[in-house]
Amino acid sequence: NAGVTQTPKFQVLKTGQSMTLQCAQDMNHEYMSWYRQDPGMGLRLIHYSVGAGITDQGEVPNGYNVSRSTTEDFPLRLLSAAPSQTSVYFCASRINTEAFFGQGTRLTVV
Amino acid sequence: ELKVEQNPLFLSMQEGKNYTIYCNYSTTSDRLYWYRQDPGKSLESLFVLLSNGAVKQEGRLMASLDTKARLSTLHITAAVHDLSATYFCAVEASGGSNYKLTFGKGTLLTVNP
Repeated sequence: NAGVTQTPKFQVLKTGQSMTLQCAQDMNHEYMSWYRQDPGMGLRLIHYSVGAGITDQGEVPNGYNVSRSTTEDFPLRLLSAAPSQTSVYFCASRINTEAFFGQGTRLTVV
Repeated sequence: ELKVEQNPLFLSMQEGKNYTIYCNYSTTSDRLYWYRQDPGKSLESLFVLLSNGAVKQEGRLMASLDTKARLSTLHITAAVHDLSATYFCAVEASGGSNYKLTFGKGTLLTVNP
């Protein structure tokens, strides 16, 4: 049982490049979400999904896309990376009151 | 819009001392969570508080919830160095089933010998 797996752990992008942050869970949880963590800001919700085929925006969705074609996977796409997207990204899955967070992806956009 | 305020944001304390971290939130909430984060690591769930008056304790940490005051506290008893970490509270607004959490900015706790 691997829990929530995020890849990659570290990434450096140039401004304007695109990339996909991967998130997979093996617990069959319907609810998954993406957060970004910036110094002094706590975690802020980017997008979330309540099941395969259903996604919605969170607090800071601009510049990011998501899709949920399977229960297991919830990738986060950066369409055209900007320095403001330099952050640590956490994926989480959840059932009832129990949330499981991935180990995070540290992204730097130069 | 749900807002969550934690204070203090920085807390330096001596081993053996007691202290409390406060978490205020702006709208009615069904559920409140406390997490711990070590540097460079993910979030670890500490407590889930589900009703007014709920109190939970684990070791030197005790969390409580007052939904009428929209306030949760995380009390640290006889602090030890191993408790040094960042602590977050997170609130789930009432009436929704979409599990959206709004986090406070976190309290960086440093316990000094």
